[in-house]
Amino acid sequence: AQKVTQAQTEISVVEKEDVTLDCVYETRDTTYYLFWYKQPPSGELVFLIRRNSFDEQNEISGRYSWNFQKSTSSFNFTITASQVVDSAVYFCALSERGAAGNKLTFGGGTRVLVKP
Amino acid sequence: GAVVSQHPSRVICKSGTSVKIECRSLDFQATTMFWYRQFPKQSLMLMATSNEGSKATYEQGVEKDKFLINHASLTLSTLTVTSAHPEDSSFYICSARDRRGKVGPEQYFGPGTRLTVT
Repeated sequence: AQKVTQAQTEISVVEKEDVTLDCVYETRDTTYYLFWYKQPPSGELVFLIRRNSFDEQNEISGRYSWNFQKSTSSFNFTITASQVVDSAVYFCALSERGAAGNKLTFGGGTRVLVKP
Repeated sequence: GAVVSQHPSRVICKSGTSVKIECRSLDFQATTMFWYRQFPKQSLMLMATSNEGSKATYEQGVEKDKFLINHASLTLSTLTVTSAHPEDSSFYICSARDRRGKVGPEQYFGPGTRLTVT
């Protein structure tokens, strides 16, 4: 069974600080996909990134960066120079290839509050 | 591209009534649609997976007679909450998978429907 753990339930930072969100996953599959989503107060999920299990390269997109480490089953997300607009709940999710319908398993989410 | 809509965005109904939520893929055909429920300050929990033209597959603990799912076409799935009670109040989110997607489990999410049962 697949499982995603986001140990941090809430993080509060001051604007311009960096913030790292942890994500640890469990799966028996060798082929799987990892995602990060942002959920602002409006509720709509915003897709941030998808990474497959064979691609361990770290990725940077603007102020966002992701660190995928298969050896520790982690897929951490860092927001550099945080802004108030980054305040949201962030979810890490896992999908196993071949799982019925490729269903997603979400972590518990981390609420990020960026104060001005 | 890959837009998913939900209707209504917000609904209030009385206890004991039924309410239907629609999920539409606007610019692609979806072989598979998913329905999630999210309680306040909690994560998304998958309720069921629906495939066009066949019965939905429900997750353990989800009452299929209470949450009726119909996926009658490649662009529309509906979730009907029957005999709703206050404990059914939640944020319901659908997602759809593009039938053309052969690689990767891309799911496109709708904006969600907030259900309040009084």
